[in-house]
Amino acid sequence: EDQVTQSPEALRLQEGESSSLNCSYTVSGLRGLFWYRQDPGKGPEFLFTLYSAGEEKEKERLKATLTKKESFLHITAPKPEDSATYLCAVEKNTGNQFYFGTGTSLTVIP
Amino acid sequence: DVKVTQSSRYLVKRTGEKVFLECVQDMDHENMFWYRQDPGLGLRLIYFSYDVKMKEKGDIPEGYSVSREKKERFSLILESASTNQTSMYLCASSPLGRTQYFGPGTRLLVL
Repeated sequence: EDQVTQSPEALRLQEGESSSLNCSYTVSGLRGLFWYRQDPGKGPEFLFTLYSAGEEKEKERLKATLTKKESFLHITAPKPEDSATYLCAVEKNTGNQFYFGTGTSLTVIP
Repeated sequence: DVKVTQSSRYLVKRTGEKVFLECVQDMDHENMFWYRQDPGLGLRLIYFSYDVKMKEKGDIPEGYSVSREKKERFSLILESASTNQTSMYLCASSPLGRTQYFGPGTRLLVL
C-alpha cells in the first residue's frame, strides 16, 4: 500500500537546538518528494522538491535530504518563527496523485 | 509568484444546503486539486482535474462533485452538506508533473 509516514508527530525544541524531522515512504516509483510548511489556519507553503536519492536542498535554516526510502528535514539553530507544521508528500511516477503524511508539529521555544 | 485563491476563508452552512467552493489560479497550470484536511488524518484528496472539463476521483469523492469549465477555475460542490463535511478545504494547482501550490484554505462549518 502506498503510504507516507512522518515522525515525530510533535517536536518541541529550545531556540538554537538543532534537530531533524523524518518522512518515510513506501510509494513505489517515486517521481518527487515535497516538503511544505503550514501555519495554523493557512494553506501549505512549498519549501522543497527532491527527485532522486542523494539529493539535498537548503533554504535558510532548513535542509532537506532524500534516500531511497525516506527524507529528512534538518533544522539548524531554529528560531521561534520556525514553529509550524511540516508536511511531506510524495508523487508517484504514474498518475497525478500526491500522497501526504500527517505532518510534524514543530514548536520552538524562546 | 504563484497565486491560488479560494472564494471564502470561512463558511457556515446548514445541513442539507448546497455549498460551492471556488478556486482560481493565475499560473496557467494544467492540474488542479481539492483536498480536505482533518486533525490526525492529514490531507485527503477529494477530486483532481488535469484539463478543462476533465476530472478524476480521489480517495474520498463521496458527497462531492466538481466542475472545471475554464482552465484557471476549479469548483468543489457539496450537493447536500452534512455535519461530517465540516473541515478545512484546500485547493492546489500544479503544472504537469511538478510541485503543487496551495490556496489559503476554506474552513467550512456545517451545522
